[in-house]
Amino acid sequence: GQQVMQIPQYQHVQEGEDFTTYCNSSTTLSNIQWYKQRPGGHPVFLIQLVKSGEVKKQKRLTFQFGEAKKNSSLHITATQTTDVGTYFCGAAGGTSYGKLTFGQGTILTVHP
Amino acid sequence: NAGVTQTPKFQVLKTGQSMTLQCAQDMNHEYMSWYRQDPGMGLRLIHYSVGAGITDQGEVPNGYNVSRSTTEDFPLRLLSAAPSQTSVYFCASSLDLWAGELFFGEGSRLTVL
Repeated sequence: GQQVMQIPQYQHVQEGEDFTTYCNSSTTLSNIQWYKQRPGGHPVFLIQLVKSGEVKKQKRLTFQFGEAKKNSSLHITATQTTDVGTYFCGAAGGTSYGKLTFGQGTILTVHP
Repeated sequence: NAGVTQTPKFQVLKTGQSMTLQCAQDMNHEYMSWYRQDPGMGLRLIHYSVGAGITDQGEVPNGYNVSRSTTEDFPLRLLSAAPSQTSVYFCASSLDLWAGELFFGEGSRLTVL
């Protein structure tokens, strides 16, 4: 079945530093979604990427979908304490029609 | 709109007991799914449904049953609970899988002793 690898598993940053998490799939994807889960909370949708090479921005967050549609990244510029949480990528497509497969998640801690 | 409602929020079971986690959504979503979340494992898909009367297995379906008799409800049944099923369970729904944005419930924390 489809596998989605997400790195790093943990990231500790000082407030103001940048942060990036990467998601890689073994198969070509139809789309990829990103979610944020605050500690003790539930995952909340951030964005969906569909097109090869697509780049989308939400304030300090930049999302990219690779040209081959097998990888994606989420970059946060100048982290704030409100960015704390776990970031997940969810991949759809390839051999897993009808399923959204999540990466293991990256746990971000931000030190003030 | 309540969104996706899961009950119960917390449950403790003994090995061998059975129980049902309830999930209901009021957004008229066709797609519904159940995930379990364990430390370091991310979110793993248990079962999903693309519409009433249709269900299919995800990555980790063993020990769980689902049914989808209505668009609104998607209960998850544990037939004979095992300690390995101790986890946080999330129900999620979407208009359809390709429309993006899974809406998650608040989660159900299950402990099996």
